[in-house]
Amino acid sequence: GAVVSQHPSRVICKSGTSVKIECRSLDFQATTMFWYRQFPKKSLMLMATSNEGSKATYEQGVEKDKFLINHASLTLSTLTVTSAHPEDSSFYICSARSRETQYFGPGTRLLVL
Amino acid sequence: DAKTTQPPSMDCAEGRAANLPCNHSTISGNEYVYWYRQIHSQGPQYIIHGLKNNETNEMASLIITEDRKSSTLILPHATLRDTAVYYCIVRVTGANSKLTFGKGITLSVRP
Repeated sequence: GAVVSQHPSRVICKSGTSVKIECRSLDFQATTMFWYRQFPKKSLMLMATSNEGSKATYEQGVEKDKFLINHASLTLSTLTVTSAHPEDSSFYICSARSRETQYFGPGTRLLVL
Repeated sequence: DAKTTQPPSMDCAEGRAANLPCNHSTISGNEYVYWYRQIHSQGPQYIIHGLKNNETNEMASLIITEDRKSSTLILPHATLRDTAVYYCIVRVTGANSKLTFGKGITLSVRP
C-alpha cells in the first residue's frame, strides 16, 4: 500500500519551454502533497506544500509563478515548471501524506538544454 | 522541527546488523522520529517511525532512548541492496507539518 507514482520519469526540454510533472497517489487519497527538488549530491529541498482544492504554500525563495502547482483532486497533484532554464535542471520528487506518514514518488529527472 | 545529527557515513558487512545512530537532543514531546532511505536516483523510501517506544517492522527496528534524545535504526541482516543514504528526521504530527531532510548517513554494505 501507499504507492506514489510520478510521470514522466525523465524529461528533456528546450530552454524557455514549460514542463508538467504529474504526481499520483495510487491506493490512497492525499489531502496534502509535497514537492521537493534535489540537486546532485545534495539533500532534498522542500519547494511547496499543496492542499487539495486550495493554493499551494511555497517555501522561501521558491518562485510561485515559475513553479505552478495544482492539486485538483485527492489523488493528483501537478508541478509545472514554466519557461524552464538550464538552472532548473534537477531531480523533482513528489510526496503524498497518508495519515501521519509521507510517501514519496520515484522522482522526475528534468534536463533543460 | 528539531534538528538531527548523523555521522556522514558508515559501512558494514553483508549479513551483519547495521546500526545507524541519530542524535536529536532538542526533540519536543510531540515530535516523532522518522527514518527514510534513498537509494541512488530514486525517491526516498519510508522505513519506520516512532514516538517513544521501540518499533519493529519487516524492514527494520527503531530503538529510541528513554530521554528521546537519540535513536538507532537497526537493519538486522544488511544486504548489498541496503546501500543507501539514510535520513533520520523528527517531525510534529498535524496537518501543517512537513519533512525536512538533512544530509543523512551514507551506509555502504560490503560483500
